[in-house]
Amino acid sequence: EPEVTQTPSHQVTQMGQEVILRCVPISNHLYFYWYRQILGQKVEFLVSFYNNEISEKSEIFDDQFSVERPDGSNFTLKIRSTKLEDSAMYFCASSGWGDTQYFGPGTRLTVL
Amino acid sequence: GQQLNQSPQSMFIQEGEDVSMNCTSSSIFNTWLWYKQDPGEGPVLLIALYKAGELTSNGRLTAQFGITRKDSFLNISASIPSDVGIYFCAGHLWLNSGYALNFGKGTSLLVTP
Repeated sequence: EPEVTQTPSHQVTQMGQEVILRCVPISNHLYFYWYRQILGQKVEFLVSFYNNEISEKSEIFDDQFSVERPDGSNFTLKIRSTKLEDSAMYFCASSGWGDTQYFGPGTRLTVL
Repeated sequence: GQQLNQSPQSMFIQEGEDVSMNCTSSSIFNTWLWYKQDPGEGPVLLIALYKAGELTSNGRLTAQFGITRKDSFLNISASIPSDVGIYFCAGHLWLNSGYALNFGKGTSLLVTP
């Protein structure tokens, strides 16, 4: 069964450093998403991406965040200058048109 | 985003018991989804509901999309230890360019043998 994959599974970084989280969505999906989950809290929407552009973003997704689909398979989330409060699980998800979203296993980001 | 109220916050039950949890929203959704999350993993889709009033089953799981489109419930029958985890409801309004899922805060389920 096709699945969303994410790398790395755990990323530790120093405050102020840039990080790139990577995702490989399900191959025939057209819509891509990033969510985050702070420890013990609910999953929060960050951004959706369709047709090579951002289609929707939340208040959390400020200028420090960016997304990119550099080739036909990868979908990345970049945080330019990490803050302590960026520590969370980051989930990538993908969907077909009008379809439900399937989530990856997540990347645990720890900012020291 | 819209606020989803999920209850109960946690449940501690014995194996074999039935479980019920629900989710309400102040806004209308056109899709309700139920996900399960195990520790350190991503949410896994359990049931998707697309029509108001729809009742859908997936094995021991049953979920319903409320008539008002502002609520949903999930029932688990004859619980087993592997049902342990956090259950999230999520709703959305579908847009042509995709959609943002709004998640509830989750129901933590513990099952004792």
